[in-house]
Amino acid sequence: SYELTQPPSVSVSPGQTARITCSGDALPKQYAYWYQQKPGQAPVLVIYKDSERPSGIPERFSGSSSGTTVTLTISGVQAEDEADYYCQSADSSGTIEVFGGGTKLTVL
Amino acid sequence: QVQLQESGPGLVKPSETLSLTCTVSGGSISSYYWSWIRQTPGKGLEWIGYIYYSGSTNYNPSLKSRVTISIDTSKNQFSLKLSSVTAADTAVYYCARVRFIAAAATHWFDTWGQGTLVTVSS
Repeated sequence: SYELTQPPSVSVSPGQTARITCSGDALPKQYAYWYQQKPGQAPVLVIYKDSERPSGIPERFSGSSSGTTVTLTISGVQAEDEADYYCQSADSSGTIEVFGGGTKLTVL
Repeated sequence: QVQLQESGPGLVKPSETLSLTCTVSGGSISSYYWSWIRQTPGKGLEWIGYIYYSGSTNYNPSLKSRVTISIDTSKNQFSLKLSSVTAADTAVYYCARVRFIAAAATHWFDTWGQGTLVTVSS
């Protein structure tokens, strides 16, 4: 079955840049999406179609894609950005949706 | 602003059928796909399946034999049934609105319900 691989954790100090990666064989041909989830809350979409930002999401959130890896970048990290982040994409056929295992972002 | 709310029993016995309903408010259920997603501590987020307002469905192959998603456009609701449940089906179940680009065969989840915990136990 198709898998998306994320690092379990990333730590950064306030004001620094956090980069969270997501790897998958089908990513060169499938868009990726990123969700932020805080404890006890539902996930919130922060990036769609690799690099587009929904309305209401701060500009410090950005996304990029290169080959089999997509990256969520948070510039000037704030304490409120501490959360779990999940990538999502589809298999090469586009019929099965898959989530990465999630990355816990810790703001030191 | 569309809102989604899950409802249903929080406790289901092993081997029985889990049934949940998602009520959509603040917008029409038509012209969109709608999805169920669950989250377990051990496996993270897992896509269960989605349904188009017309009734066409697509399920995760790992659950396909046990899942049925249906829609009632007159009530602005869609539902999940998961049969023959075991403890491994204990999870927080989310309903979500699906956005898609047919030409790119891509889907994403732009609006989520708050989630409901379903525990499978006797």
